Amino acid sequence: QVQLQESGPGLVKPSETLSLTCTVSGGSMSSYYWTWIRQPAGKGLEWIGRVYSNGSTNYNPSLKSRLTMSVDTSKNQFSLKLTSLTAADAAVYYCARDRSWGTAVTLDYWGQGTLVTVSP
Amino acid sequence: DIQMTQSPSSLSASVGDRVTITCRASQSVTYYLNWYQQKPGKAPELLIYAASSFQSGVPSRFSGSGSGTDFTLTISSLQPEDFATYYCQQSYSAPPTFGGGTKVEIK
Repeated sequence: QVQLQESGPGLVKPSETLSLTCTVSGGSMSSYYWTWIRQPAGKGLEWIGRVYSNGSTNYNPSLKSRLTMSVDTSKNQFSLKLTSLTAADAAVYYCARDRSWGTAVTLDYWGQGTLVTVSP
Repeated sequence: DIQMTQSPSSLSASVGDRVTITCRASQSVTYYLNWYQQKPGKAPELLIYAASSFQSGVPSRFSGSGSGTDFTLTISSLQPEDFATYYCQQSYSAPPTFGGGTKVEIK
């Protein structure tokens, strides 16, 4: 059974950079897309972006200028860096596995989520 | 971005009821439409992919239909564990986008 676990700071100051890591266990990272999704409190889901096991990335254009994703298959981890945080970036951040090929996105395994608060 | 609109945004139903949730896309997404279930404080779980295909382990009371712009998630006989929020998600066009959710509550 594939399991994902997010880790990172729960509190980030405005204008600073958010760094999150997702650790994957119970399966190989090869040949999958690894994805970040976020959900502001009481609101819906937003796809942030994904990184393939070979390191190629697809980002949401609304976040692309502030976003960097990477993967380290030797550590079974992938990461997100989001710069210049504002209050609008406060949310629960989920990592997930995307099992689809090409442009399709099908998220079949999810982490439990990590709450990120943006505050001085 | 393709806009996904779910209706209703919330509904109250009783155990045993048949429940139908609709999802409309602002343009055709062919069959690139998934449904997820999210319980409070938990991550979403994949129920249906490619509009009508069952994710492994999902009870047969859940079904999905539709293509193009109009899709439906049906729960044939609502069970206590089905009270949750349901989201549709398209991936025909980047970036993938989600509907606003439908909260299914106990009547």
